[in-house]
Amino acid sequence: DARVTQTPRDKVTEMGQEVTMRCQPILGHNTVFWYRQTMMQGLELLAYFRNRAPLDDSGMPKDRFSAEMPDATLATLKIQPSEPRDSAVYFCASGSAGTGGIGSYNEQFFGPGTRLTVL
Amino acid sequence: AQRVTQPEKLLSVFKGAPVELKCNYSYSGSPELFWYVQYSRQRLQLLLRHISRESIKGFTADLNKGETSFHLKKPFAQEEDSAMYYCALNRRGSQGNLIFGKGTKLSVKP
Repeated sequence: DARVTQTPRDKVTEMGQEVTMRCQPILGHNTVFWYRQTMMQGLELLAYFRNRAPLDDSGMPKDRFSAEMPDATLATLKIQPSEPRDSAVYFCASGSAGTGGIGSYNEQFFGPGTRLTVL
Repeated sequence: AQRVTQPEKLLSVFKGAPVELKCNYSYSGSPELFWYVQYSRQRLQLLLRHISRESIKGFTADLNKGETSFHLKKPFAQEEDSAMYYCALNRRGSQGNLIFGKGTKLSVKP
């Protein structure tokens, strides 16, 4: 049963430290999404990739966040320097791109999330 | 602007009572809408999509273009339905980039 994996599952760090979160998408999926979940804002899209190329990262604070896909089996989200307001659960999801027509949408499969706490 | 609104952060009902989780959207044209669910300690997963017109775990959702709504309904709630529910809209031309609402936490009491 193929699943998206994320590491670490929990991360506690101090303000100013660098944080790197990793995601392994389901083999064969060509689209990867990074989301942030908080009580106040719910689920926010930070960035997404198709065929390893970034398509949209407008939801990401550019000064401290960066997202990459060094290869098809690994996506990373980095925060440097981290701040207490970055505390949240970060989800990765993967899927296959549809054709864009009605009904072509393909399900996003979510990872278990990384719970980040910045003190 | 494309937007999804879930007006209730928390909905609490008793077991056996009907449930309706509200979702309104803003979109010009024909939207594609979905409900995702996150049970405690589990991953977020797709519950249903409007285009399939399906019933999953007793839940249904009808797209009402006149009211721009896609409310999720179940006639008799069960305790195992307690979870976080997210309504989502497929962003125009994005081939799978979803806009999520802020979510509604459903609590079903015994």
